[in-house]
Amino acid sequence: GAGVSQSPSNKVTEKGKDVELRCDPISGHTALYWYRQSLGQGLEFLIYFQGNSAPDKSGLPSDRFSAERTGGSVSTLTIQRTQQEDSAVYLCASSSPGQGTYNEQFFGPGTRLTVL
Amino acid sequence: LAKTTQPISMDSYEGQEVNITCSHNNIATNDYITWYQQFPSQGPRFIIQGYKTKVTNEVASLFIPADRKSSTLSLPRVSLSDTAVYYCLVGDVRDDKIIFGKGTRLHILP
Repeated sequence: GAGVSQSPSNKVTEKGKDVELRCDPISGHTALYWYRQSLGQGLEFLIYFQGNSAPDKSGLPSDRFSAERTGGSVSTLTIQRTQQEDSAVYLCASSSPGQGTYNEQFFGPGTRLTVL
Repeated sequence: LAKTTQPISMDSYEGQEVNITCSHNNIATNDYITWYQQFPSQGPRFIIQGYKTKVTNEVASLFIPADRKSSTLSLPRVSLSDTAVYYCLVGDVRDDKIIFGKGTRLHILP
């Protein structure tokens, strides 16, 4: 596709349920990032992938959060046993480091997660 | 990763030039300075990047003094549609990871 896509665009879930958020990066982009943004706040880094490996998972808030990337393309962010404080917009971005502008990240539209 | 400091918010009027300054005192030799713009309900988008002196594109100009410890994003003749959050980022060209801070919330008034 032409840009980064994310699904679902909106997700409402009940406290304690598991959720999966999906990101389709721009074709050929080797790096993929997940961020979280609470209402009116800046972006909070969660994790990034280079290919299928995740060199830096330091931003994951707790062990309820996990992410994987397969085939160097699609990534899934999973939140287990969701809590109300997990409510936020989850943004995915991809980039192709070393090509042209240094590490320009292209963002998807985000998934708005609401935990009731 | 170099830490950046920028104003939390700014107001300006349509037609004015807006300058947003970012401090990055511990910038390293290989670090570039990049600015992103985020409109409400959208992901951030790249607007400009520089290493030193001045960079200009169709959207903005970026001024970087010789010591590179700060940078100024300049938006000429702003309009209401320039209301957004602007993020200043500093990072090594060899790094994949960059960190977004809280940004500057720019509000353009009619």
